[in-house]
Amino acid sequence: KNQVEQSPQSLIILEGKNCTLQCNYTVSPFSNLRWYKQDTGRGPVSLTIMTFSENTKSNGRYTATLDADTKQSSLHITASQLSDSASYICVVSIKAAGNKLTFGGGTRVLVKP
Amino acid sequence: DGGITQSPKYLFRKEGQNVTLSCEQNLNHDAMYWYRQDPGQGLRLIYYSQIVNDFQKGDIAEGYSVSREKKESFPLTVTSAQKNPTAFYLCASSIDWGGGYEAFFGQGTRLTVV
Repeated sequence: KNQVEQSPQSLIILEGKNCTLQCNYTVSPFSNLRWYKQDTGRGPVSLTIMTFSENTKSNGRYTATLDADTKQSSLHITASQLSDSASYICVVSIKAAGNKLTFGGGTRVLVKP
Repeated sequence: DGGITQSPKYLFRKEGQNVTLSCEQNLNHDAMYWYRQDPGQGLRLIYYSQIVNDFQKGDIAEGYSVSREKKESFPLTVTSAQKNPTAFYLCASSIDWGGGYEAFFGQGTRLTVV
């Protein structure tokens, strides 16, 4: 069964600190992996998208890594800000089945002052 | 101001009623999607449309119906056959069908059964 598992489910960090979110997937064959940020009550917004051949990609203070061999990805947030409080969703695209998107359950991040 | 617009933001449904959620996009995208989001769970695909006048069932289509008469519009009807409709519904579009293309999401509609 194609699955995307994220950890932790939630975390609290102090403003200015760094944190790392994890994503493990069993999706095969793999097409690409994305990270989305979703504010409460809003639609997800894309942060990064990585293909099989890419192992790191940055978007400002967000850096995503991908290890296609171990089927793991991480999202690192540097110098967190209060506006980083949101859910972060890992999404993997399956090459077969019409490149269907499989969503993780998300990690809820709360940044405290 | 290009984007994808969902309305209403909040919707209340009585037992046994059908309700329709609106999704409009002016991005000239061919593909449109409807997802359902429940607390702590990943988004699940309800229906998708690759092109006008064509749509396909996703993973949880039972109790839902859609139409795609115009490229810009992909309304979702939640019918009385959907036994547990309370959820957050997200519409998305992409330039073409397939996971290789960026998907843009609307702001969502929160549906509550009263």
